[in-house]
Amino acid sequence: QKEVEQNSGPLSVPEGAIASLNCTYSDRGSQSFFWYRQYSGKSPELIMFIYSNGDKEDGRFTAQLNKASQYVSLLIRDSQPSDSATYLCAAGQYNFNKFYFGSGTKLNVKP
Amino acid sequence: KAGVTQTPRYLIKTRGQQVTLSCSPISGHRSVSWYQQTPGQGLQFLFEYFSETQRNKGNFPGRFSGRQFSNSRSEMNVSTLELGDSALYLCASSSIDSGYEQYFGPGTRLTVT
Repeated sequence: QKEVEQNSGPLSVPEGAIASLNCTYSDRGSQSFFWYRQYSGKSPELIMFIYSNGDKEDGRFTAQLNKASQYVSLLIRDSQPSDSATYLCAAGQYNFNKFYFGSGTKLNVKP
Repeated sequence: KAGVTQTPRYLIKTRGQQVTLSCSPISGHRSVSWYQQTPGQGLQFLFEYFSETQRNKGNFPGRFSGRQFSNSRSEMNVSTLELGDSALYLCASSSIDSGYEQYFGPGTRLTVT
């Protein structure tokens, strides 16, 4: 069993819609959760991090964490074609600074 | 602040050779992690260094090694290269002051022929 699981997609949404990306993790000791965006041929770019249960909003992005269900999600409102990328979820224990990454979900936003 | 830098950006090596990759973290960051990314396996953790000490290691053979210098710059070395070592090698730096969020460098693309 992988430590972090993501649906590989592709997830296709029309421009202006809400894109919902999901991730589950297996280690109940995980304390830190991150979402990265990776464009083809580029390195991952940190877009959101969350440590506490609930929602965290930053512009068009909202990260949601449910530790009881071991579930993390990323909502992208008003999706734009420039949001088309692979989104990586990561979970881990910050005091050990060791994180596991999911295999990523490819998002396509159609104009 | 300047971001994470990695050199070289591209490398072509032949089987059996060894290679050294370099990473300079964001100024003030003392933790450096290394990852291997391949299409089949995704992003896999190699090791992490903090204040010149390796604190964590992933499930890679001993051919993969690293070190960190007093200025937090880090190197990783791969000896006796195999075709399967062809990958994008990414370095990420983080700071305890910012909650250990990891920021990635542009990566080194290694091709083994």
